[in-house]
Amino acid sequence: QLVLTQSPSASASLGASVKLTCTLSSAHGGYAIVWHQQQPEKGPRYLMKLNSDGSHTKGDGIPDRFSGSASGAERYLIISSLQSEDEADYYCQTWGAAQVFGGGTKLTVL
Amino acid sequence: EVQLVESGGGLVQPGGSLRLSCAASGFTFSNDWMHWVRQTPGEGLVWVSRINADGSSTTYADSVKGRFTISRDNAENMLYLQMNSLRVEDTAVYYCARNNWLDSWGQGTLVTVSS
Repeated sequence: QLVLTQSPSASASLGASVKLTCTLSSAHGGYAIVWHQQQPEKGPRYLMKLNSDGSHTKGDGIPDRFSGSASGAERYLIISSLQSEDEADYYCQTWGAAQVFGGGTKLTVL
Repeated sequence: EVQLVESGGGLVQPGGSLRLSCAASGFTFSNDWMHWVRQTPGEGLVWVSRINADGSSTTYADSVKGRFTISRDNAENMLYLQMNSLRVEDTAVYYCARNNWLDSWGQGTLVTVSS
């Protein structure tokens, strides 16, 4: 079964960097995923599609501070120079027979 | 600019029906698979249904199978979700989104199922 696992929460200081992790189920380690951001009281926003080799395609207007990387079944979202508006929920998503979402990580900017 | 605008949400009693609409613009609608995703307040994103580009193939989450029907009108650039036999647990904000990597989202429409 295709499953995405995310830590429920993360925190980092203003101006620092943070790395969020999304782990694919073991049989699906080669899948691409997508990262979405959801700021408080807003709809989701596509950030990037992240391939298994770490290459990624960002959405229009997504700042350079956002990047992605991959290692095995893990997919990472790296946010550098954290700003207050980066405080949000971050979801990873992929697809097979159906679309699948991770449970989301709530990022707090301290 | 890609735009997706949902409408049709509201308050409905358990067992009732509602039809959601999603108006698409700014891209060639007939080329893309489309999806419905929902989110219960305070909870995560849950995929509901998808439809292929020409409307000939549909897929549903187990939780809505047999009750919800996704459809599209490519001439009018419209996506629909017919929701029947609604349950309290269907209460959520419903979003439409484009293609398998959901690269564009609407603003959502709130469906409340309550007596």
